[in-house]
Amino acid sequence: EVQLVESGGGLVQPGRSLKLSCAASGFTFSNYYMAWVRQAPKKGLEWVATISTSGSRTYYPDSVKGRFTISRDNAKSSLYLQMNSLKSEDTATYYCARHASSGVMDAWGQGASVTVSS
Amino acid sequence: DVQMTQSLSYLAASPGESVSISCKASKSISNYLAWYQQKPGEAYKLLIYSGSTLQSGTPSRFSGSGSGTDFTLTIRSLEPEDFGLYYCQQYYEKPYTFGAGTKLELK
Repeated sequence: EVQLVESGGGLVQPGRSLKLSCAASGFTFSNYYMAWVRQAPKKGLEWVATISTSGSRTYYPDSVKGRFTISRDNAKSSLYLQMNSLKSEDTATYYCARHASSGVMDAWGQGASVTVSS
Repeated sequence: DVQMTQSLSYLAASPGESVSISCKASKSISNYLAWYQQKPGEAYKLLIYSGSTLQSGTPSRFSGSGSGTDFTLTIRSLEPEDFGLYYCQQYYEKPYTFGAGTKLELK
């Protein structure tokens, strides 16, 4: 069974940093592109980042480019999201997701809650 | 960015009925369209990709149609477990974008 389990969420002050982790199991992690997607309270989904199988290629929307960094450790079947210079608008539940092909995401975690507030 | 519009935020229906949820893209995205379902306490689930291809495990009462800018998710003969949130997503180009969601509620 494919499992994605996020961790590392919490309350953080504006301007500070936080790193999310996602532990993957039930599939060959190194064979898949992976992604982070977030959902702000009462809002829709927003794609945050994608990383290639080797980690050599990363993609971000403008809203987080330069502040967020996606990375992976294939030996540990783990995905990470380093979030710097956090803003109140980054408050959201962050989901780890597996890319099936192209931009389709065929497996999702339960999410990690991040609150940016002073 | 490609804007995805789900015109209905809420849709109320009864078990056994058929419903359709629409999704419109701000530009042509060919058939690079996926549908996801979310139910309380559960992870998001991919239902349909490429506009009309059912993901493994998706019941056959679900179907997707459309191409270009207009897409529809249809659920025939609603089951109690079908009530929840439905989102469309375009993956024609980055940034990948989602619709605002349609909440399918029990009437």
